[in-house]
Amino acid sequence: SQTIHQWPATLVQPVGSPLSLECTVEGTSNPNLYWYRQAAGRGLQLLFYSVGIGQISSEVPQNLSASRPQDRQFILSSKKLLLSDSGFYLCAWIPRRTGNTEAFFGQGTRLTVV
Amino acid sequence: GENVEQHPSTLSVQEGDSAVIKCTYSDSASNYFPWYKQELGKRPQLIIDIRSNVGEKKDQRIAVTLNKTAKHFSLHITETQPEDSAVYFCAASSSGGSYIPTFGRGTSLIVHP
Repeated sequence: SQTIHQWPATLVQPVGSPLSLECTVEGTSNPNLYWYRQAAGRGLQLLFYSVGIGQISSEVPQNLSASRPQDRQFILSSKKLLLSDSGFYLCAWIPRRTGNTEAFFGQGTRLTVV
Repeated sequence: GENVEQHPSTLSVQEGDSAVIKCTYSDSASNYFPWYKQELGKRPQLIIDIRSNVGEKKDQRIAVTLNKTAKHFSLHITETQPEDSAVYFCAASSSGGSYIPTFGRGTSLIVHP
């Protein structure tokens, strides 16, 4: 069966520090991968999506970046965090081979920038 | 790109009442409309979905209706229970490879015992 792992679950980082959130999917190949941010417990804002290794599309200009070094690995990064980067970050995937279907979410990372 | 509007932002009902959440979308190419439930601190999870070739779908106490002409779809929950309390998100996506789900802003449903 397919599973998605996202870590860490919680993170408290000082302003100006770097960030690395990781997401991996098991039990499938060539998934579509997405990073969303949810601020104040509401609203899912798409940050990045990827349809293949090394293919990253950015939806919102910001100081965040994403990478997909392997087929089932999706990483969200920042060189210097801002206070406004605080929020709940969710990784999600959709199986390409089944077409337009539901998104499966990771457990999320609650990031607090202090 | 797609734009999804969701109303209301907050919905408070008494246990046993019905709840209706409405969404509109802008992209006529969208053909898949899922609804997700997110409990506090948890990940969103699919509760029901509908495709563009269907007007209505029902699963026990929940149902979804779709009006493609008007570009709107709705979630109906009957006989609400306290455990239905959560944030509900509608979404829309189209085929073409990226399948990007565009979400509404969410509705916080509160069911009072």
